[in-house]
Amino acid sequence: GNSVTQMEGPVTLSEEAFLTINCTYTATGYPSLFWYVQYPGEGLQLLLKATKADDKGSNKGFEATYRKETTSFHLEKGSVQVSDSAVYFCALSDRGSARQLTFGSGTQLTVLP
Amino acid sequence: KAGVTQTPRYLIKTRGQQVTLSCSPISGHRSVSWYQQTPGQGLQFLFEYFSETQRNKGNFPGRFSGRQFSNSRSEMNVSTLELGDSALYLCASSLAPPQLGSSYEQYFGPGTRLTVT
Repeated sequence: GNSVTQMEGPVTLSEEAFLTINCTYTATGYPSLFWYVQYPGEGLQLLLKATKADDKGSNKGFEATYRKETTSFHLEKGSVQVSDSAVYFCALSDRGSARQLTFGSGTQLTVLP
Repeated sequence: KAGVTQTPRYLIKTRGQQVTLSCSPISGHRSVSWYQQTPGQGLQFLFEYFSETQRNKGNFPGRFSGRQFSNSRSEMNVSTLELGDSALYLCASSLAPPQLGSSYEQYFGPGTRLTVT
């Protein structure tokens, strides 16, 4: 079956530090990959996506590249802000069940001023 | 365009009772999926509805059921509540692709926080 493995948290960084959250996946075929963010007390917001190998998703300074050879989709940001503090989830959907998302366990990010 | 709305936002029920949660998708979205989020199990897929039909189901007992109406609004029901059903229940809507092979992103509502005592 499909699975997503995320870097264990929590992650604590100082403002303007570089962020990497690792994500690897196991899936049959060619899944689409997503990063979602969850702020305290809220639902999930789609942060970025990539639908095929070598695609780079980007949004709000965050980036992730779909690497088929390493089955990875690591999230990066060059300079984090306090407002980026949230839980980040890596997820995939495969072609057979396009609307069913399989999520990683989530990574709590705290950015200190 | 209004986002996905879920009602109620918070709910407290007693073990053995049943509960119904409601979800209104984004206008024009015809697919609705439900997820359960708990600290121990994380985010798990419950089921997905499209055109009033359940298209996909996760690994949950039969106490968990749902339905979708002709206006795409969806409800999920949990009968004979157990303490372990305490969770955040998230609804997500998406466009329904004309055929498999397309991947439309899902847009999530704020969730319903269910507490079972």
